[in-house]
Amino acid sequence: SQTIHQWPATLVQPVGSPLSLECTVEGTSNPNLYWYRQAAGRGLQLLFYSVGIGQISSEVPQNLSASRPQDRQFILSSKKLLLSDSGFYLCAWSGRGQGEIYGYTFGSGTRLTVV
Amino acid sequence: AQTVTQSQPEMSVQEAETVTLSCTYDTSENNYYLFWYKQPPSRQMILVIRQEAYKQQNATENRFSVNFQKAAKSFSLKISDSQLGDTAMYFCAFCTSGTYKYIFGTGTRLKVLA
Repeated sequence: SQTIHQWPATLVQPVGSPLSLECTVEGTSNPNLYWYRQAAGRGLQLLFYSVGIGQISSEVPQNLSASRPQDRQFILSSKKLLLSDSGFYLCAWSGRGQGEIYGYTFGSGTRLTVV
Repeated sequence: AQTVTQSQPEMSVQEAETVTLSCTYDTSENNYYLFWYKQPPSRQMILVIRQEAYKQQNATENRFSVNFQKAAKSFSLKISDSQLGDTAMYFCAFCTSGTYKYIFGTGTRLKVLA
């Protein structure tokens, strides 16, 4: 069966420090991968999505970047965190061409607090 | 621009009662998909139900059903026989056929009262 792992679960980082959040998927190949951010009182905002290794599409210009070094690995990074980067980050995957039909499977999320 | 609106930030319902969560969306597309996701206090997002726009029949999953009104661009979720475990944030989401991206509403926080 397919599983998605996301870590760390919680993170407290000072302003200006770097960030690396990792997400891996098991039990499937060629998944579509996504990073979403959920801010308090707001819906989920798509940050990045990837349809293949090295293929990253950015939805929101900001202080973050994403990479996909392996087929089932998706990394969210920042060189210097801002206070506004605080939030709940969710990784998700869908089968190739299937996300629109069958929906996403989400990871358990990372609560990031920038202090 | 495509948008999803959930006009009820919070709702409550007595255990065993029925509750309906509202969702409206705006799009000029004809082929799309609609979803309801549940996010309990654990914050794990769980797919509750989905609906293909080209299907007129409303989707049903056990105690969860939708009222899909395509002309009105409305997609409400009905929860029957509410249980304490239904307490969660519920998100409506929309995805155009051929794209990879969901547009989410801002969510409705549902509390089931004992």
